[in-house]
Amino acid sequence: NAGVTQTPKFRILKIGQSMTLQCAQDMNHNYMYWYRQDPGMGLKLIYYSVGAGITDKGEVPNGYNVSRSTTEDFPLRLELAAPSQTSVYFCASSYSMIAGNNQPQHFGDGTRLSIL
Amino acid sequence: KNEVEQSPQNLTAQEGEFITINCSYSVGISALHWLQQHPGGGIVSLFMLSSGKKKHGRLIATINIQEKHSSLHITASHPRDSAVYICAVVNYGGSQGNLIFGKGTKLSVKP
Repeated sequence: NAGVTQTPKFRILKIGQSMTLQCAQDMNHNYMYWYRQDPGMGLKLIYYSVGAGITDKGEVPNGYNVSRSTTEDFPLRLELAAPSQTSVYFCASSYSMIAGNNQPQHFGDGTRLSIL
Repeated sequence: KNEVEQSPQNLTAQEGEFITINCSYSVGISALHWLQQHPGGGIVSLFMLSSGKKKHGRLIATINIQEKHSSLHITASHPRDSAVYICAVVNYGGSQGNLIFGKGTKLSVKP
């Protein structure tokens, strides 16, 4: 019962470094999402994907990139880490999100990222 | 003004108490989610509803589309219910990924 798996769980980066946050799901879900959660704020959508090869920007995409080469994997890349990207990152997936056919989202356990 | 407002922000209850968490929203929606975030950080979907009422164990979620309001009730609360409860709405007509989240209500249930 893996569900949505995120790695790593914790990471400390220096300003300017790059890294990739990994996300994998084994539920054959079409839709995948990346969120960030800042203290005292609601989750914000960074990027999402409606299927392999298709990605789109969310509310706060600047400084991030994604790819979706397979149904299972949806990595999030930070190219030039900045202190403003210190946050907790959550990956989620769902079967669909079409209006009238809403499905619950399944979340990973999160990645706590600090940029120093 | 945030599009999704939750109240209260923080709530402390004694074990056994009946708890209500409120969510108001200002956009047209096709569905509303209630999520639970455990102290360790993991997020679990509790309910997804677009009308009426749903019940799962001691949890009850209601929604009034006309009033743009939803409530999450916990009956016979227990310390293990201590968590952050998050309301999120699916913006009707928005992009496929357009979930709008409230800031959450932090619940602490004392034994």
